[in-house]
Amino acid sequence: EDQVTQSPEALRLQEGESSSLNCSYTVSGLRGLFWYRQDPGKGPEFLFTLYSAGEEKEKERLKATLTKKESFLHITAPKPEDSATYLCAVQADDYKLSFGAGTTVTVRA
Amino acid sequence: DVKVTQSSRYLVKRTGEKVFLECVQDMDHENMFWYRQDPGLGLRLIYFSYDVKMKEKGDIPEGYSVSREKKERFSLILESASTNQTSMYLCASSLLDRTQYFGPGTRLTVT
Repeated sequence: EDQVTQSPEALRLQEGESSSLNCSYTVSGLRGLFWYRQDPGKGPEFLFTLYSAGEEKEKERLKATLTKKESFLHITAPKPEDSATYLCAVQADDYKLSFGAGTTVTVRA
Repeated sequence: DVKVTQSSRYLVKRTGEKVFLECVQDMDHENMFWYRQDPGLGLRLIYFSYDVKMKEKGDIPEGYSVSREKKERFSLILESASTNQTSMYLCASSLLDRTQYFGPGTRLTVT
């Protein structure tokens, strides 16, 4: 069974204080790893897809990396508007995604 | 931009009622999905469809059914709503095995 574990559960940062979120996974035949951002009461918003170990993607203050066992989402010099829950999901040999429980990030001004 | 819309943002229904949640996507995606999201349990797949009139059970299909008569529309049906179906319901669509794009969600409360 595919498993996705995100850590930490919650992260409180001061504005400008860089940090990383972890997503470790076990899956048979990874087809893709996805990062989403979710604001309270809203649907997940797509951020990145990573397909193979060594791949990196960047968007503004966010950078996602992938190894054979885990992915990191680095937040550089975060701002209060980066406060959200960040979800990681893996796709195996079918169309389905398995989601982690998420990391809730709070950035204080 | 991909747009996935859901018929209601908030819905309150009584136990035993039949409930319809509708989802529409405008990107000609083959695949559509229904999830529910609960605190501490994350997103769990209820049903998905990879083509018109085709459906597959997800991880928690009990108490739900789906309908896909047109490519752009995917409906989730609660045949007889129960209080344990109070949840946030999320619809998503994707092109084949690519990225899933989510709608805004429907917060359903069953009393």
